[in-house]
Amino acid sequence: NAGVTQTPKFQVLKTGQSMTLQCAQDMNHNSMYWYRQDPGMGLRLIYYSASEGTTDKGEVPNGYNVSRLNKREFSLRLESAAPSQTSVYFCASSATSGGAGELFFGEGSRLTVL
Amino acid sequence: AQKITQTQPGMFVQEKEAVTLDCTYDTSDQSYGLFWYKQPSSGEMIFLIYQGSYDEQNATEGRYSLNFQKARKSANLVISASQLGDSAMYFCAMREYNTGFQKLVFGTGTRLLVSP
Repeated sequence: NAGVTQTPKFQVLKTGQSMTLQCAQDMNHNSMYWYRQDPGMGLRLIYYSASEGTTDKGEVPNGYNVSRLNKREFSLRLESAAPSQTSVYFCASSATSGGAGELFFGEGSRLTVL
Repeated sequence: AQKITQTQPGMFVQEKEAVTLDCTYDTSDQSYGLFWYKQPSSGEMIFLIYQGSYDEQNATEGRYSLNFQKARKSANLVISASQLGDSAMYFCAMREYNTGFQKLVFGTGTRLLVSP
């Protein structure tokens, strides 16, 4: 049971470089999310996709773009990385009907921008 | 406005004792859910327990229980018989079911340290 898989797990970038974080889930969930975690800030929502074909901004979307490639995959792109984007990034998914709607998380991706 | 407040940055407890981690929330929705997640030092986020706003009984999952006080808007996590493996960050979160898309909003977390 893979659940939510995100890659890469670690990445070091220089300021101005671009990169894409990949996320895939195999639980047939409709909704997917990208969060960032910073010390003392908890998890903050960057973007989410309520269902295939839709994406919306969360709390901290500036500097990021997303693509919901299909029902399984939701990628996060940093077009021009900045040191303020140094963080741990989590992808998550959830069902939108039935149950509590808890999020299932990937293992996280630690990004450092120099 | 802060929707989820966890006022305890850190908590200490001795092994085998019970500990309560505080969480208060702010919502005007009648229908919402409260969640607790555990994040050990390895970094993954582990779902622990859920309480719906209409649930009359407090949720329990093994050694975890949620002390839900609706009028006070609090949803404290109680861990009974603490174990060394309970040392971790704990996050409280809320999902509002009547307000647009049901995003999960997290608190800033409480770090729990269990000592032998």
